[in-house]
Amino acid sequence: EPEVTQTPSHQVTQMGQEVILRCVPISNHLYFYWYRQILGQKVEFLVSFYNNEISEKSEIFDDQFSVERPDGSNFTLKIRSTKLEDSAMYFCASDLGGQTQYFGPGTRLTVL
Amino acid sequence: QKEVEQNSGPLSVPEGAIASLNCTYSDRGSQSFFWYRQYSGKSPELIMFIYSNGDKEDGRFTAQLNKASQYVSLLIRDSQPSDSATYLCAVREVNDMRFGAGTRLTVKP
Repeated sequence: EPEVTQTPSHQVTQMGQEVILRCVPISNHLYFYWYRQILGQKVEFLVSFYNNEISEKSEIFDDQFSVERPDGSNFTLKIRSTKLEDSAMYFCASDLGGQTQYFGPGTRLTVL
Repeated sequence: QKEVEQNSGPLSVPEGAIASLNCTYSDRGSQSFFWYRQYSGKSPELIMFIYSNGDKEDGRFTAQLNKASQYVSLLIRDSQPSDSATYLCAVREVNDMRFGAGTRLTVKP
């Protein structure tokens, strides 16, 4: 069964460093998403992406964040200068549009 | 602000009992509703979705939707210890999904 994959599973970085989280969505899906879940808190929407551009972004998704689909398979989230409060699980999801979103296993980001 | 509210629990039921999980949402125009299960440290896993008023059954799970009252619920029949997890209610918007904080369910053997 097709699934969303994410790498790395765990990323440790120093405050102020740039990180890139990678996702490979399900191959025939058209819409891609990033979510964040701080430990013990709810899953929060960050950004949606369709047709090579951002469809919607939340207030969390500020200028420090960017997304890119550099080729036909990868979907990346870049955090330019990490802060302590960026420590969280980051989930990528994809769907066909208006339907069920399928989530990847997540990347745990730890900012020291 | 579009909100999705759930009782955080924890909800504890004995093995074999029915677990009832509730969720309310603020946007009357919402059309699509999802229940996800999340084990600690893992990603959300889809249980089922519902679009129409009424009940929808899938195995031991039944989702119920009442758009007039803006609530959606999930019933788990014959609860098993492996059902112990956090259950997330999610409401699909045009370009994103909004999640409730989740209800932690414990099924005791």
